[in-house]
Amino acid sequence: QKEVEQNSGPLSVPEGAIASLNCTYSDRGSQSFFWYRQYSGKSPELIMSIYSNGDKEDGRFTAQLNKASQYVSLLIRDSQPSDSATYLCAVKKTGTASKLTFGTGTRLQVTL
Amino acid sequence: GAVVSQHPSRVICKSGTSVKIECRSLDFQATTMFWYRQFPKQSLMLMATSNEGSKATYEQGVEKDKFLINHASLTLSTLTVTSAHPEDSSFYICSASDPQGAPGPQHFGDGTRLSIL
Repeated sequence: QKEVEQNSGPLSVPEGAIASLNCTYSDRGSQSFFWYRQYSGKSPELIMSIYSNGDKEDGRFTAQLNKASQYVSLLIRDSQPSDSATYLCAVKKTGTASKLTFGTGTRLQVTL
Repeated sequence: GAVVSQHPSRVICKSGTSVKIECRSLDFQATTMFWYRQFPKQSLMLMATSNEGSKATYEQGVEKDKFLINHASLTLSTLTVTSAHPEDSSFYICSASDPQGAPGPQHFGDGTRLSIL
């Protein structure tokens, strides 16, 4: 079992729709959860951090965390073509020096 | 927000050349930085954790004599790919966490695309 699992996609959604990206993790000691967006040929860009159960909203993005189910998701409302990218879920154990464990990423395609 | 600068952005060189990549934290001190490699259409692969003032910690399968890491100050880590060969061609990315932040995210540099002829 991979430590962080994501569906590789591609996930195709029409412009204006809600894109739902999912991630599961295996280590119950994980305490910090992140979503990164990576455009082709570019480095990852942080878009959301979440540390406690529940929802966290930032603009069109909502991260959801359920530690009991070991599940974290990212919702993108009013999807735009510019949202087309690979979305990486990353998980970290306690401590700022701890390394991140990445999922393989979900490729999102927002169609016109 | 926290900014990580990486240089150079692109390197093209002949086989056998050693290449040095720099990673700087611009507005915070980073006792730990991370080096990743990413091949086309694949996910990030952590190569090593760079520790200021001590030896780097390498992931399994990464040759420490091939990929030399130096973290001599709180704002600078370097990765040297020694005697590079075409199979070392890849996208190399560094990252760092701001210790003043929360149990914080890593912020990534813009990456270095290395092409060995």
